[in-house]
Amino acid sequence: DQQVKQNSPSLSVQEGRISILNCDYTNSMFDYFLWYKKYPAEGPTFLISISSIKDKNEDGRFTVFLNKSAKHLSLHIVPSQPGDSAVYFCAASANTNAGKSTFGDGTTLTVKP
Amino acid sequence: NAGVTQTPKFQVLKTGQSMTLQCAQDMNHNSMYWYRQDPGMGLRLIYYSASEGTTDKGEVPNGYNVSRLNKREFSLRLESAAPSQTSVYFCASTSGQGAAYGYTFGSGTRLTVV
Repeated sequence: DQQVKQNSPSLSVQEGRISILNCDYTNSMFDYFLWYKKYPAEGPTFLISISSIKDKNEDGRFTVFLNKSAKHLSLHIVPSQPGDSAVYFCAASANTNAGKSTFGDGTTLTVKP
Repeated sequence: NAGVTQTPKFQVLKTGQSMTLQCAQDMNHNSMYWYRQDPGMGLRLIYYSASEGTTDKGEVPNGYNVSRLNKREFSLRLESAAPSQTSVYFCASTSGQGAAYGYTFGSGTRLTVV
C-alpha cells in the first residue's frame, strides 16, 4: 500500500497565477513532510519541509500547508514562474527511522508564459 | 561545488553482468541513501547507511548490495544484473540531524540492462 500519494500526475498553470500541488499520506507515524523539485536529467532538490507540529511553513514564494486530521499537505507557489516547471515530489519521514523518506510518485508542473 | 557525486552517469549492462555504482559526498554528512526511480514513479529506497559502519535494507533491496567504505563514500553493487533493474539510481545524503533537513541528491546514474 502506497503511504504517500500524489493523485495528480500533472498540473498546468499560467505564469503569475498560483500553483497548488497536493499530497496525501496514510502513516500517522510520519512527523516531517518535505517537498522536492526535479528537473530532467538532474537529481531532486530539496525545497521546503514542515514538521507535524505545525500547520504552515513559508519560504519566499513557496508555502506548505499541513492538515494532520485529513493526512493532507499542499505546496503553494505564488506567483508561478516558467522556471518552476518541473516534477515535484512529496516525501514523508519519521525521526524514528534513521531519516528514511517515503516518496510520492510526483506531479509534473507546467507554467505557461 | 560541494555536494554528492555519482559515477558513472550512464551504463548499459547485459543480463548477468555485475557493476558497482559509486557515490561520494563532501559535506560531512552522516547518513547516506540509495534510491531508484522507475518511469512515472517516485523514488524507492534500496539501502541506506545511517552512519559510518552501518547499513540497512530499504524497501526494494533484492538484487543489490552496499558498502559504506568511509564517511564520504557509499557504493551500490549489482551482482547479476536483470532487466528489472533498469532504472535511474540516485544517491543522497543528509546531516542526520533530523528528518526536517532534507536530502542532497546526486545527479543520478541511468542504468539499462539488456
